[in-house]
Amino acid sequence: GAGVSQSPSNKVTEKGKDVELRCDPISGHTALYWYRQRLGQGLEFLIYFQGNSAPDKSGLPSDRFSAERTGESVSTLTIQRTQQEDSAVYLCASSRGGLSYEQYFGPGTRLTVT
Amino acid sequence: AQSVAQPEDQVNVAEGNPLTVKCTYSVSGNPYLFWYVQYPNRGLQFLLKYITGDNLVKGSYGFEAEFNKSQTSFHLKKPSALVSDSALYFCAVRDGGTGGFKTIFGAGTRLFVKA
Repeated sequence: GAGVSQSPSNKVTEKGKDVELRCDPISGHTALYWYRQRLGQGLEFLIYFQGNSAPDKSGLPSDRFSAERTGESVSTLTIQRTQQEDSAVYLCASSRGGLSYEQYFGPGTRLTVT
Repeated sequence: AQSVAQPEDQVNVAEGNPLTVKCTYSVSGNPYLFWYVQYPNRGLQFLLKYITGDNLVKGSYGFEAEFNKSQTSFHLKKPSALVSDSALYFCAVRDGGTGGFKTIFGAGTRLFVKA
């Protein structure tokens, strides 16, 4: 079946502009996660959504970052007033509900802020 | 809060030799432990997980991992390495005590398998 998809695959933006990144999870997956991966580094947790529960936003690095999810489908990650340090690959993952389930990752969006 | 450490940035091993990639963790409740692999120019893929039960878990591509509660470790192993195993490996943990889905990943260990 279809995996997790993300768009765009690449985004180049000027410092100070806003960007919106999109994630389409696997159908039926109630949990959705966003991570940031800077070049040569590990995954940094940003936020997760699980069903109708309030999202865990504890990993968002500043109030310039926000995310929304429509029901149990599409999610968007918005970065306002982008800075050069926001340059990274942004990864989305989804999983079935339940702590024991593994995550399925999308290909990522490579964001470059010039 | 949960945390995970991968003490080695890089592991080098000859093809055919056994390999070990180390991971230690810290949680307040029961740990849910995962290994993922990132091949060059490919997305992150799930390898294996420990939730409960047998301490030795087996996963994809001949990999296995051993859960050690007293040492709070979850090392990834393979009896005989292949050149195609060369990739970036991530250990990840969820804290069953907090009941949340927040997953913390280690910094990653790059595995090089030499022919």
